[in-house]
Amino acid sequence: GNSVTQMEGPVTLSEEAFLTINCTYTATGYPSLFWYVQYPGEGLQLLLKATKADDKGSNKGFEATYRKETTSFHLEKGSVQVSDSAVYFCALNTGNQFYFGTGTSLTVIP
Amino acid sequence: GAGVSQSPRYKVAKRGQDVALRCDPISGHVSLFWYQQALGQGPEFLTYFQNEAQLDKSGLPSDRFFAERPEGSVSTLKIQRTQQEDSAVYLCASSKTDSHYNEQFFGPGTRLTVL
Repeated sequence: GNSVTQMEGPVTLSEEAFLTINCTYTATGYPSLFWYVQYPGEGLQLLLKATKADDKGSNKGFEATYRKETTSFHLEKGSVQVSDSAVYFCALNTGNQFYFGTGTSLTVIP
Repeated sequence: GAGVSQSPRYKVAKRGQDVALRCDPISGHVSLFWYQQALGQGPEFLTYFQNEAQLDKSGLPSDRFFAERPEGSVSTLKIQRTQQEDSAVYLCASSKTDSHYNEQFFGPGTRLTVL
């Protein structure tokens, strides 16, 4: 079956710290992988995506690489800001549905 | 261009009442999806439409849940005889096609509270 497992939170970091949120997946076939972000009081927004193995998705200083050999899609950012405080969801898309992880809450303190 | 809109944004129902949740997808998007998001959890798939055809309803938790998209645009998720365990945020998403390359665009959700 298809599933996504991501690092449990909450995560609290100081501004300018390095961020890693781990995500691993199980899938049949060749899914695309996504990171969505949910800011407080807002809906889910696409952060970045990768559609095939070894692709790197990047946006707003965040990046993640689709690693087929380790079935992973870890999210990283070199220097977080207070405005990055949100809940981050890893997801895989098989075409007719998304499978989401449980979300990782990130709080960045000044 | 407008994004995905959902109404109402908040709904409080007494146990046993029927509710109807509306989703307006992005114009021209072929695929439409409904998800249920419990507090502190990720969205879980309920059902999927390609145009007016409901191609997958495997995630609907019981026969009290029913979804339709009669003209291939607006969709309604109906929950009959609501129960407390139905309390959640119901998310609608649309995408251009059902290709796995495509992102899904999410609406703001309807927060349903069943008392």
